[in-house]
This record gives sequence, structure tokens and C-alpha cells, in this order.
Amino acid sequence: SSELTQDPAVSVALGQTVRITCQGDSLRSYYASWYQQKPGQAPVLVIYGKNNRPSGIPDRFSGSSSGNTASLTITGAQAEDEADYYCNSRDSSGNLLYVFGTGTKVTVL
Amino acid sequence: QLQLQESGPGLVKPSETLSLTCTVSGGSISSSSYYWGWIRQPPGKGLEWIGSIYYSGSTYYNPSLKSRVTISVDTSKNQFSLKLSSVTAADTAVYYCATPTYWGQGTLVTVSS
Repeated sequence: SSELTQDPAVSVALGQTVRITCQGDSLRSYYASWYQQKPGQAPVLVIYGKNNRPSGIPDRFSGSSSGNTASLTITGAQAEDEADYYCNSRDSSGNLLYVFGTGTKVTVL
Repeated sequence: QLQLQESGPGLVKPSETLSLTCTVSGGSISSSSYYWGWIRQPPGKGLEWIGSIYYSGSTYYNPSLKSRVTISVDTSKNQFSLKLSSVTAADTAVYYCATPTYWGQGTLVTVSS
């Protein structure tokens, strides 16, 4: 199956912008979804498709993609954005298999 | 909105079969076009896709687990289930049932004698 690689950790000052990246061959063919997970909680979908936010997700979250890399950008990071973030996409096999990225811990300073 | 709730034993012995059920409320399993999936997360580690089932009954499994996994659906009960055979300590994890948008709260399954 495909692999999706993320940086293990990033930090951002309160109110600044941070971009989290996800790399993998399958991203040349499929969009990534992004999930936010806070300690002890289930993941929450924050971005899906080209750049879509589910209801209730703040517009400071945005997504983009280029080549084999998908990105999640948090513009004006808030303290409550401190969490683990995982990308998720279809497997490049062509079957309806999915794979998660390795995860990025975002710390808001 | 959809709500998903996992249920099943929290402790399973090595070599036995782990069985979990996900009960769906707020919508019908048989009327949706998206997947009904199982994901797990070992303590302190990342998310791992286990597999999924569609309303058509088609199933797709993580190749690394395929020989041990079975996902099925019971439309009469609006539930779908996971069976993972021949478990070892490496299968200890929080198990989530999920759609692309909605997730259950997760249930911790420990494999230990």
C-alpha cells in the first residue's frame, strides 16, 4: 500500500501561520483529507476534497495540493489548534483502500 | 447528524478473535454512498486504516491485515462489525468506527492473557 509522510512536529506562535505537509505518490491522483486529533479524543475532519471545510470548522483552516504533496494551512493559529494532525487519502493501487499519514504534532507557542 | 458507537470486549486473549460492533444512529447504513470503516490507534502511536465496507457490501482491507480481517454489515440493525483473528499484543489499540466525516468515540481493546 501507499505511504503518506508527514513531519513529526511543528510549532507556531499564537496568531501566526503554520503549514503542515503530507507527501505520497497517491496524492498525484487523489485529494487528501485532514483530521485533527486532541489528546483522548477521536479525530475530527477539518479539510476534505480540493479545499472544503465541514460545518463548524473555522475558516482559518485551508487545504491545497501540488504534485505529490498536500498541505494544511492554519492562518492565525489559536491555542485550541494545538493537536495532532493526520492526512488521509486513497491508496494508489486503484482500489478503494485508504491510508493515513504519519501524523504531525502542532504546538502553539 | 450521524452518530457512531463502538461496542465489544475490552480484553481479548492472544490467538483469539477480536469482535467489535458499530451502531449507527441518525442515518441509514443502506442509504449512504460513502464507506463505513474501521481504524485503530495503538497507544501513543498514529492512526492505521483497517478496512471499510460500502452499502453494496463491497469490502476493502489493509493488505497488512487482510488475512485476519472481516468487516460485515447488518442493515436490519443499522450496524457494521469488525472481526480480527489470531490477535497478539501488537493488536492492542483504540479501535474507531468511522465514515469520512463522522467517527465513534473509540474503544480500547487490550490483548493479554
